[in-house]
Amino acid sequence: GESVGLHLPTLSVQEGDNSIINCAYSNSASDYFIWYKQESGKGPQFIIDIRSNMDKRQGQRVTVLLNKTVKHLSLQIAATQPGDSAVYFCAEITNAGGTSYGKLTFGQGTILTVHP
Amino acid sequence: GAVVSQHPSRVICKSGTSVKIECRSLDFQATTMFWYRQFPKQSLMLMATSNEGSKATYEQGVEKDKFLINHASLTLSTLTVTSAHPEDSSFYICSARGPAPRGYTFGSGTRLTVV
Repeated sequence: GESVGLHLPTLSVQEGDNSIINCAYSNSASDYFIWYKQESGKGPQFIIDIRSNMDKRQGQRVTVLLNKTVKHLSLQIAATQPGDSAVYFCAEITNAGGTSYGKLTFGQGTILTVHP
Repeated sequence: GAVVSQHPSRVICKSGTSVKIECRSLDFQATTMFWYRQFPKQSLMLMATSNEGSKATYEQGVEKDKFLINHASLTLSTLTVTSAHPEDSSFYICSARGPAPRGYTFGSGTRLTVV
């Protein structure tokens, strides 16, 4: 289903720690997932994506894990920095294959605060 | 990389007036654009899908007569909030589907305040 009007959960970490942000997605038919970072007053910024035929994908300091059995997605940020402070959203897409992209549905989001 | 320009970034209008927000794909053609609405400390809610040359597809609960969408070219979609009221105050964000590596590029958003 669609994201509802809930207030975002928060995660506070110390600089240098690893952060794990979780997301439960709703549609078992979704075949493409994206993590976005949104800073205050700005649009979402792409971080990393993963297709449903994978369970793990790594980028620079970030790792996304996908558990389709329980419809769970996580974003791991290594050595978190103050500049990582933002809101993080997962998004799911159905029918993302080929040239036919489906619409992007956003999850609830998490506010990450990194303390120096 | 693909860039989406959204204007204005901020707008304050009086209750009852209309406001137009523009979303432009600067270096690619976008046959499909999406309009989202975001309240403070909440997620992005899809309002409508804008298709070039055809009518927009609105999500359930979104008033098509209040939120007019026009996608007259492959690089421009506009959202007009008609007869705006204070409850329409929100952050509006557009996204274009194009040749970007991940297929979706977002504008920087428009903060609408209706007084």
